[in-house]
Amino acid sequence: ETGVTQSPTHLIKTRGQQVTLRCSSQSGHNTVSWYQQALGQGPQFIFQYYREEENGRGNFPPRFSGLQFPNYSSELNVNALELDDSALYLCASSWRGTGELFFGEGSRLTVL
Amino acid sequence: AQSVSQHNHHVILSEAASLELGCNYSYGGTVNLFWYVQYPGQHLQLLLKYFSGDPLVKGIKGFEAEFIKSKFSFNLRKPSVQWSDTAEYFCAVIPNTNAGKSTFGDGTTLTVKP
Repeated sequence: ETGVTQSPTHLIKTRGQQVTLRCSSQSGHNTVSWYQQALGQGPQFIFQYYREEENGRGNFPPRFSGLQFPNYSSELNVNALELDDSALYLCASSWRGTGELFFGEGSRLTVL
Repeated sequence: AQSVSQHNHHVILSEAASLELGCNYSYGGTVNLFWYVQYPGQHLQLLLKYFSGDPLVKGIKGFEAEFIKSKFSFNLRKPSVQWSDTAEYFCAVIPNTNAGKSTFGDGTTLTVKP
């Protein structure tokens, strides 16, 4: 086990709704990264948070936003859900500078 | 923009066969290179990593990878696979900067027949 926990594990939303996914990072890690993994593809980098600030962003629209809290836990928010947002959302924590990622089990989002 | 290409989508081997999974990346600067593995029903976990130094790196469970800078490659190898190596393997690139924007390949599914 990595010590990275994500919630919820599964959820179903309808198009246009909003969703919040949560991640608790591994003890001692100060950086959290979020990924979207569609079926048959590798994880796609959404963004990374370090010391409560966004520190790098992939090619995702602004309706994907996030937060990092003082205890280094994090949230991913997605507004105005689209069908193509259906995917596994992975959170990974790390110690800044090492690049080694520790992944959670993921939150599987289905948008109907 | 950086990209990672894994040429083999699905590889099927018999136990004791040798394995080589290809990974090529595209990026203009210095990168850190990783192989991650996802066993059935488990989360992604680190198999091995390269930051600098000896381009031949060894990881867990007998895996190794060689960084060839001139070819922008970081191929994964194992001399003799076991049934328990059945998993999905992902190559990843992270620029050697503080931005930490990582790029993963689409993965290779390895099936090892007993």
